[in-house]
Amino acid sequence: AQKITQTQPGMFVQEKEAVTLDCTYDTSDPSYGLFWYKQPSSGEMIFLIYQGSYDQQNATEGRYSLNFQKARKSANLVISASQLGDSAMYFCAMRSFNSGGSNYKLTFGKGTLLTVNP
Amino acid sequence: DAGITQSPRHKVTETGTPVTLRCHQTENHRYMYWYRQDPGHGLRLIHYSYGVKDTDKGEVSDGYSVSRSKTEDFLLTLESATSSQTSVYFCAISESHTEAFFGQGTRLTVV
Repeated sequence: AQKITQTQPGMFVQEKEAVTLDCTYDTSDPSYGLFWYKQPSSGEMIFLIYQGSYDQQNATEGRYSLNFQKARKSANLVISASQLGDSAMYFCAMRSFNSGGSNYKLTFGKGTLLTVNP
Repeated sequence: DAGITQSPRHKVTETGTPVTLRCHQTENHRYMYWYRQDPGHGLRLIHYSYGVKDTDKGEVSDGYSVSRSKTEDFLLTLESATSSQTSVYFCAISESHTEAFFGQGTRLTVV
């Protein structure tokens, strides 16, 4: 079974500062992927970034980067130069995959509510 | 934006009635998912599909059934709605293992 843990229910950050949102995971599968999504108050789920378990480098997408520490089973999201529009709920998710189609289950954590202060 | 349409977007129904939510995609993606979102619980997987007529249960499948008779449609049915099924329901689609895209969500209220 796979499990995602986000231990920070809420986080605050000043505008223009960097912030790290924590995510730890548990899986027995050797091959898996980690995702981060943003959910603003309007409700839609916005895909931010993806990291594969065999990727040699940490994923980056603009101001988002993923601090992937495989031995610690952590996949923290780093947002640089925070903006007011970054205020939202952030979800970490994981999918294990192998040759079996039924292993494409995508599991989410409970989320972290980020508030960016001016 | 990925072509995913959830219908209806809002629904109020009475306890004990059956309800069907529809997820329609125009992307020809193989994998489709139904989640529910409740405060303090994040997104919890109800059912998912890995092909036409191929479905499997998620962590909160009791009281729900699904069907996928063609690639583009994934239906979620609440066989007899209860107040505990009041929630926001999201559909998601995926083809590659590196992406998954969500619909806009359906807000369901069971009174």
